[in-house]
Amino acid sequence: QVQLVQSGGEVKKPGASVKVSCKASGYAFTKYALHWVRQAPGQSLVWMGWINPGNGDTQFSPKFQGRLTITRDTSASTAYMDLSSLRSEDTAVYSCARASGGGFDIWGQGTMVTVSS
Amino acid sequence: DIQMTQSPSTLSASVGDRVTITCRASQSISSWLAWYQQKPGKAPKLLICKASSLESGVPSRFSGSGSGTEFTLTISSLQPDDFATYYCQQYNSYPWTFGQGTKVEIK
Repeated sequence: QVQLVQSGGEVKKPGASVKVSCKASGYAFTKYALHWVRQAPGQSLVWMGWINPGNGDTQFSPKFQGRLTITRDTSASTAYMDLSSLRSEDTAVYSCARASGGGFDIWGQGTMVTVSS
Repeated sequence: DIQMTQSPSTLSASVGDRVTITCRASQSISSWLAWYQQKPGKAPKLLICKASSLESGVPSRFSGSGSGTEFTLTISSLQPDDFATYYCQQYNSYPWTFGQGTKVEIK
């Protein structure tokens, strides 16, 4: 079935970087944009950026510009989200989501990233 | 950035009630709006895209309307499975933005 499976939870110290993977299956990976969204505990959803898996083009929210990198490995049908210079406010669940015409129709299970000294 | 404002933030209702959630955009987004349902510890589920287009498999008691800056999500007869938090999201222009959420609670 169509699904996105993410890597496991991470605990990082302030100033460190985190890399979360998102493996797609059940559909043509290069045909759909992949986005990243995060949700801090008890808070709303925040859009971070997206990648065109077909050509690698990316676009990021200004909120994360300079700290966020999104890449993909088409041979592995996997996208990666790398967030650097972590601070406590980055503690959140990070999710990848497939965009299909309008909105996000398939979501990963989410990856909890905890930033704590 | 386009701000999305939902009201109310919390809504208490009973099974069988008709429920309406409003989402306002700080500028026109045409019909580029999606609605999601999220339950605790779970990923959001896409209910409606393009303001009023019901996703496949979503019960017909859910409906969306609006264009420009004002949108509504209506649940015609609230069911036990519908108690959750609902979010609107604009995808008219980057950065895409979400509303703050509306929690639908049992009255």
